[in-house]
Amino acid sequence: GQNIDQPTEMTATEGAIVQINCTYQTSGFNGLFWYQQHAGEAPTFLSYNVLDGLEEKGRFSSFLSRSKGYSYLLLKELQMKDSASYLCAVSGGYQKVTFGIGTKLQVIP
Amino acid sequence: DTGVSQDPRHKITKRGQNVTFRCDPISEHNRLYWYRQTLGQGPEFLTYFQNEAQLEKSRLLSDRFSAERPKGSFSTLEIQRTEQGDSAMYLCASSLVVQPTGELFFGEGSRLTVL
Repeated sequence: GQNIDQPTEMTATEGAIVQINCTYQTSGFNGLFWYQQHAGEAPTFLSYNVLDGLEEKGRFSSFLSRSKGYSYLLLKELQMKDSASYLCAVSGGYQKVTFGIGTKLQVIP
Repeated sequence: DTGVSQDPRHKITKRGQNVTFRCDPISEHNRLYWYRQTLGQGPEFLTYFQNEAQLEKSRLLSDRFSAERPKGSFSTLEIQRTEQGDSAMYLCASSLVVQPTGELFFGEGSRLTVL
């Protein structure tokens, strides 16, 4: 089976940097996703890591350590529109994708 | 490409009634996933398909839930004898397994309210 843990809520200041952590346990591993979900909307893709290391995409970066079962999403230069839930998801055996509970990020002025 | 579409977007029903949701994935995608999401929670895995083959159904699902993807294109999710606890957003997503990322593309969801 798969188990995914991430904090339920975080608060950060506009213009700052925030790191959202995710730890996982899985039988079979085919990559880790981060999705963003604004209230009342569908999740949208942010990043995908399948090898160890950092993937950077604009203001967003995602890191993976497969040996530690650990990932983080780094958001830089926070904007008010970044207030959303951030979902960590693991692709396990046969690419079954399981989501964590999501981290609700509130960006304050 | 119009993306993943789901129908209906909203459904209000009385307890005990049956409901069916439809999902049309992105046309070339061979994987299709169904999730259920309640307020403040992440998407909960229900089932997924590779073309027309159902690969897994969540053990948390009762026999009241059934899903099909008869021709490997659109899919339906049926809930029989609905209960108030079935009230949730039902999300469909599709992906192309051969992609490097296997990224899931989500539909807008079907919101179910059971009275």
